[in-house]
Amino acid sequence: NAGVTQTPKFQVLKTGQSMTLQCAQDMNHEYMSWYRQDPGMGLRLIHYSVGAGITDQGEVPNGYNVSRSTTEDFPLRLLSAAPSQTSVYFCASSGPRDGGYTFGSGTRLTVV
Amino acid sequence: AQRVTQPEKLLSVFKGAPVELKCNYSYSGSPELFWYVQYSRQRLQLLLRHISRESIKGFTADLNKGETSFHLKKPFAQEEDSAMYYCALVIGSGYALNFGKGTSLLVTP
Repeated sequence: NAGVTQTPKFQVLKTGQSMTLQCAQDMNHEYMSWYRQDPGMGLRLIHYSVGAGITDQGEVPNGYNVSRSTTEDFPLRLLSAAPSQTSVYFCASSGPRDGGYTFGSGTRLTVV
Repeated sequence: AQRVTQPEKLLSVFKGAPVELKCNYSYSGSPELFWYVQYSRQRLQLLLRHISRESIKGFTADLNKGETSFHLKKPFAQEEDSAMYYCALVIGSGYALNFGKGTSLLVTP
């Protein structure tokens, strides 16, 4: 049982490049979400999903796309990277509504 | 608006002293609240959930609907408690979380 797995752990992109941050969970959780963590800002919700085929926007969705084709996977796509997207990205999943989220180890992204 | 406020960016206490990390929320309805802890450069870990009323690592938190607060408390701080603590509120029907900006707890010997 690996929990929530995020890849890659580190990534450097040039402005304008696109990439996909991968997130997979093996707990058969319905709920999954993506957050970015910036100094002094806490964690801010980017996108979330309540099940396969269902996604919605969070607080800071601009510049990011998501899809949920399977229960296990919830990739986050950066369409055209900008320096403002330099951050640590966390994926999380949850089962029962009162279970609380399990977080991945994060992806540290730098856009130059 | 559904939001969480953690008024202290940094809290420094001596080992053995009591600790209270403040969390206030704004939510219309019955809130679902959590405390998460993040040790240096690690992933967030669930510390407490308000519905369970359990004590983890000596920490407790009580939901006070009248004061819209969910403060985290520990009677005797330990050096290993030094970490970033986040209060989080479930928002909407999608069960996503709205986090406060976090409080960095430093416990010094």
